[in-house]
Amino acid sequence: NAGVTQTPKFQVLKTGQSMTLQCAQDMNHNSMYWYRQDPGMGLRLIYYSASEGTTDKGEVPNGYNVSRLNKREFSLRLESAAPSQTSVYFCASSEGVPGPQAGYTFGSGTRLTVV
Amino acid sequence: AQKITQTQPGMFVQEKEAVTLDCTYDTSDQSYGLFWYKQPSSGEMIFLIYQGSYDEQNATEGRYSLNFQKARKSANLVISASQLGDSAMYFCAMREYGGATNKLIFGTGTLLAVQP
Repeated sequence: NAGVTQTPKFQVLKTGQSMTLQCAQDMNHNSMYWYRQDPGMGLRLIYYSASEGTTDKGEVPNGYNVSRLNKREFSLRLESAAPSQTSVYFCASSEGVPGPQAGYTFGSGTRLTVV
Repeated sequence: AQKITQTQPGMFVQEKEAVTLDCTYDTSDQSYGLFWYKQPSSGEMIFLIYQGSYDEQNATEGRYSLNFQKARKSANLVISASQLGDSAMYFCAMREYGGATNKLIFGTGTLLAVQP
């Protein structure tokens, strides 16, 4: 099925460890995003890529890096995980044109716990 | 700066009744889109309904309708004939079309519990 594939679904890290969250979409969307979701705070944008070859910081970029590997793939890296990065992470993609298609298709999320 | 406000952290509704989830927004753009998403306990994000700023009629999708009041900058979601499966977190979101970026800004969500 077409959509956004996000891996892994669950991960536990020790403080200071690094990891990369993978995201791939097969809808030929130009734009891809990484959000984190915390209780009472909604979804906050970490980084986004408006098109292949570009990346920009969102609202909460500290502690993260991203790579837009190609049009399909957009990865999120935690270089030195901290307990404050315990969260649910969502990858999403969208068309860049106005209308309902401007909304997101979301991955299934990654539940990350840093101990 | 664009902002979405959902003032109801949680709500209860009886099964088969209608419920309104509030959403207000702030933007200086004339062209923008408003979205509602549902997040059940399983965690996935499900797109429900869309309203464009230039759409003259309120959007409807089955039991979902969007009460769009442009002058008040509100985009409330109305769910008619609530079902137990409607129990979920609901997020309102907005995207400005006038800028160079194309990202959604989300509200903090409303947790809806449908009671039998």
